[in-house]
Formats: sequence, structure tokens, C-alpha cells
Amino acid sequence: DGGITQSPKYLFRKEGQNVTLSCEQNLNHDAMYWYRQDPGQGLRLIYYSQIVNDFQKGDIAEGYSVSREKKESFPLTVTSAQKNPTAFYLCASTSGQGTEAFFGQGTRLTVV
Amino acid sequence: AQSVSQHNHHVILSEAASLELGCNYSYGGTVNLFWYVQYPGQHLQLLLKYFSGDPLVKGIKGFEAEFIKSKFSFNLRKPSVQWSDTAEYFCAVSMYSGGGADGLTFGKGTHLIIQP
Repeated sequence: DGGITQSPKYLFRKEGQNVTLSCEQNLNHDAMYWYRQDPGQGLRLIYYSQIVNDFQKGDIAEGYSVSREKKESFPLTVTSAQKNPTAFYLCASTSGQGTEAFFGQGTRLTVV
Repeated sequence: AQSVSQHNHHVILSEAASLELGCNYSYGGTVNLFWYVQYPGQHLQLLLKYFSGDPLVKGIKGFEAEFIKSKFSFNLRKPSVQWSDTAEYFCAVSMYSGGGADGLTFGKGTHLIIQP
């Protein structure tokens, strides 16, 4: 089945550590996105990538980094510089400009 | 800055009541419009979308939405809700700003609770 796979589903991190969230898609979509979901805040765009080896900052990119070495993969690193990293992270992809986004099941990150 | 506003953060209705969730966006250019739903414990899924044509669009599970360009609105409606409609609903807008896919801009969501 085609879709987006995020792993792990739950992740715990100690303060001061970097952690990488995985996102893989087999939909052959060009564009991929990372969102952060907090209660009462909706989804906020962290980073997006329209093509391989290119990515752009979203609205809340500080403390995060990404890479896009393969079309299928768009990992997100939450660095120790992110002040409030505990959140639910969603990865999405689209086939083109303005089209429907397909979402993964999310990763819940908790900093302990 | 471009933004999407959802008017109600929490809505409580009884079964069989009619539903309307408001959504407004601030962008004067070309937009594509979406409503997504997130059922408890599940991932976001598309309810309906508007790209062009008839401004009244029908989605899954009896939902519909009307695009009113002059009001920058895309309100979601359902004539008679069911207990299973309890979920978080997000309005989203894709705004064209010169070439690339800038991602969807989401509203803050409306938490809908349907009481039996």
C-alpha cells in the first residue's frame, strides 16, 4: 500500500540531546513537509522540500534541521537548540503545487 | 502574513443537530482549500477539497463546504451530525506565492464533541 511512514511512534529524549525523526513515503511525491502539532495551535510548518537536495524553512524552523538526499525520505532532526521540543510531529507529502497532502501517523516526542 | 482562522475552538452538539464550522483566510491570490479531520488516535485525513469550479463541494461522510471568494471563507457543514463525528477539524489553505509549493497553512482546529 502507498503511504507515509513515520518512525518511531513515541520518542523520549533527554534535554540537550539531538534526535532524528524518520519520514519515508512511497507515493512518488515530489514535495514533503514537516509540521508540529500542539494543543490549541493547529499545525505549524517547520520545513518543506519541493525536490531532492533542496528544502526551505517554514514558520517555526528554529532549532530544527532537515535533509532530502532521496525523494522518498525527509528526516527531521530536533536539536538541543529547540527550546520546547515536546510535541506531536507530522510528516506530509504532496504530488505538486497546492494538491492534497497525505499525512503520516505522527511521532510524539517527549523531552525528559 | 497569510493566515487561516477557525472561529470556534470547541463545539459541543447533540446527535442530529446541524453543524457549521467557520473558516476564513487572509490572502488575495489563488488558493486551494481543504478540510481535514483527525479522529481520536488516528492520523489526519482529507474530508474535502476545493480547487476550482462549483464553489459547493461535497466530501466524505456527508460533509460539504462552500467557498465564498468575496468573504474569503470556506465553511464546513453537515445537516445532521452523528456521535462518530467527534473529532478535531482543521481548515487548510494552499496559497500560491510565485512558483513553489509552500505547504498548507492550517487553522488552529475545532474540537467537535457530539453528545449522544
